Amino acid sequence: EIVLTQSPATLSLSPGERATLSCRASQSVSSYLAWYQQKPGQAPRLLIYDASYRATGIPARFSGSGSGTDFTLTISSLEPEDFAVYYCQQRSNWPLTFGPGTKVDIK
Amino acid sequence: QVQLVESGGGLVKPGGSLRLSCAASGFTFSDYYMSWIRQAPGKGLEWVSYISSSGSTIYYADSVKGRFTISRDNAKNSLYLQMNSLGVEDTAVYYCARGNGSAFDFWGQGTLVTVSS
Repeated sequence: EIVLTQSPATLSLSPGERATLSCRASQSVSSYLAWYQQKPGQAPRLLIYDASYRATGIPARFSGSGSGTDFTLTISSLEPEDFAVYYCQQRSNWPLTFGPGTKVDIK
Repeated sequence: QVQLVESGGGLVKPGGSLRLSCAASGFTFSDYYMSWIRQAPGKGLEWVSYISSSGSTIYYADSVKGRFTISRDNAKNSLYLQMNSLGVEDTAVYYCARGNGSAFDFWGQGTLVTVSS
């Protein structure tokens, strides 16, 4: 099973600041990595797929990069609605696995 | 617009069974693979099961293998999860999610399953 590790567990930032979230895989997942955003009481929402492609309707301030074992989700300038939990997920191997999440909260 | 609506959750005793349903609309259901993904209270996301668009290919997480059965009825635009031998560790919100080949691009609102005596 591929284990995904996300860091930091919590990121405390102010609106307008840049957020950099990391996801590391226990073995290569090529570019088969997605990022999701989840707000309290809501279902997750797809942000990024295949490491760097924005999903439909996702603002340009969200970007993804990386390949192999190291991936980054960057939010260029945090908006109030971006404070949430972010999960990475790999589809390279079965079982599909998610990272434990990074919570982005307001400083 | 794409809609996924789960139902069938509730309170069940340990060892009991439950059948979840997911009604799909707004897209050609038979063109997409589907999965069930769960989230225990206050915890992260855990993939549970996958079924291909035709239903011919199925995968399960080890934690549910032999106890849960995924199925679909493309004529009824519906996805199912039969859950047997439930344990307290199965308590979670269960989401159905549509796969687009790269990721899960649409999710239902979830249905809560509580396993407790």
